[in-house]
Order: sequence, then C-alpha cells, then structure tokens
Amino acid sequence: DQQVKQNSPSLSVQEGRISILNCDYTNSMFDYFLWYKKYPAEGPTFLISISSIKDKNEDGRFTVFLNKSAKHLSLHIVPSQPGDSAVYFCAARGSYNTDKLIFGTGTRLQVFP
Amino acid sequence: NAGVTQTPKFRILKIGQSMTLQCAQDMNHNYMYWYRQDPGMGLKLIYYSVGAGITDKGEVPNGYNVSRSTTEDFPLRLELAAPSQTSVYFCASRAFVVRSGPSSGNTIYFGEGSWLTVV
Repeated sequence: DQQVKQNSPSLSVQEGRISILNCDYTNSMFDYFLWYKKYPAEGPTFLISISSIKDKNEDGRFTVFLNKSAKHLSLHIVPSQPGDSAVYFCAARGSYNTDKLIFGTGTRLQVFP
Repeated sequence: NAGVTQTPKFRILKIGQSMTLQCAQDMNHNYMYWYRQDPGMGLKLIYYSVGAGITDKGEVPNGYNVSRSTTEDFPLRLELAAPSQTSVYFCASRAFVVRSGPSSGNTIYFGEGSWLTVV
C-alpha cells in the first residue's frame, strides 16, 4: 500500500519555465511533508518542508503548496535551471509516529536549455 | 563535520554470503535509519533506531539485522545474501526534536549510498 504517491515518473521542462512536481497521500494522519532532491550516485538532500498547519512555504525559487482536503502537495520551481535536473522525492511523517518518514517513488526532472 | 558516512560504496556479493554495511554520523543525532532504493521505486525503510541500544523494524526488515551500540554507529548486516537484496542502500540520521511544529530538526540527512549487487 503506497501511502505517498508521485504519479509522474518523469518531467521535462525548459530552462526558465516553471516546474511543478506533484505528490498525493492517502493517510490523513500525516502532519509534516518534505521534499528531497537526489542527484545520481549521491544521497538525497533536503530541499523544503511544510507543516500541515500551513498551505504554503517558500524558499527562494522553491515553493511547496499543501491542499489538505485533496491530500495533495506540489513543489514549484521558478525559474527552472539545468542544475535542478534530478530526482525529487516527496516524504511524509505521521502524527502518530514521528520517528519515520514515508517516501514516494520519485519524479525525475530534466531541465533543458 | 563529515555528516553521515557509509562504507563500502560498492560491493558485489555471492548468493549466501554475509556482509555488514557500515554507517557512522558525527552530528550527535539520536535517530538513525537504513533505507533501500530499488530502480523506479521510492525509499523503503529497513530498520531504524531512536537511540543507542534501541532498534525497530521498518517496512522491509526481512533478511537484515542491525545494532546500535553507540550513538554514532548503526551497521546493517545482511545474512545469507539473496539477489532480491541487490539495491542501493542509504543510511540517514536526524536529531531528536520536540514535536511542536515545523522545524529543520525534522530533516533527515542521508549518506551517499552503498551500491550492493548479489549474484
């Protein structure tokens, strides 16, 4: 049972445009969400997070939006740069067990010139 | 700080062999984790630890064992390696944070990964 889903395995965007990566979850007890970025042959690195008490969090070119009623979050990257090309993982933490993160399957973003 | 350090980076094992993936962190984090990532799949939690002497199973613990004798180290042991254990393994850690809302302390920091092939 995949509790965190990233239904788009890949996304291709032109440099300078907006990249929108989506994530859906099924567990209403999740209360904290994170996005990780992963380059080939490296470990994932933290990008941005959002608590369930908010609907938006912004950090430079990266903004995460949370729609609790739809159990959906999205990561917006504006403007997209070639260096943003990587795999992006969405992760969620449950309020019932704050020890663990549940990860999605990832979306591979390619930003082309 | 070196962060989270994993060894070895690459290893090829024969079916039935055993080995230990080493993981160490120098951030004095209480929490440590082992994940595996299979092609096209997300990160699956194998085992985790909330402090020295305490370990717990994750989503996919079968075929693995862990120990946490010190805060810094969290080795993952593969007994009787099987082809299904061919994967990339990531060790991770995070600090203990009182759960009171958004905090960078919730962030998990990952090692660079260990590529394991079982043939």
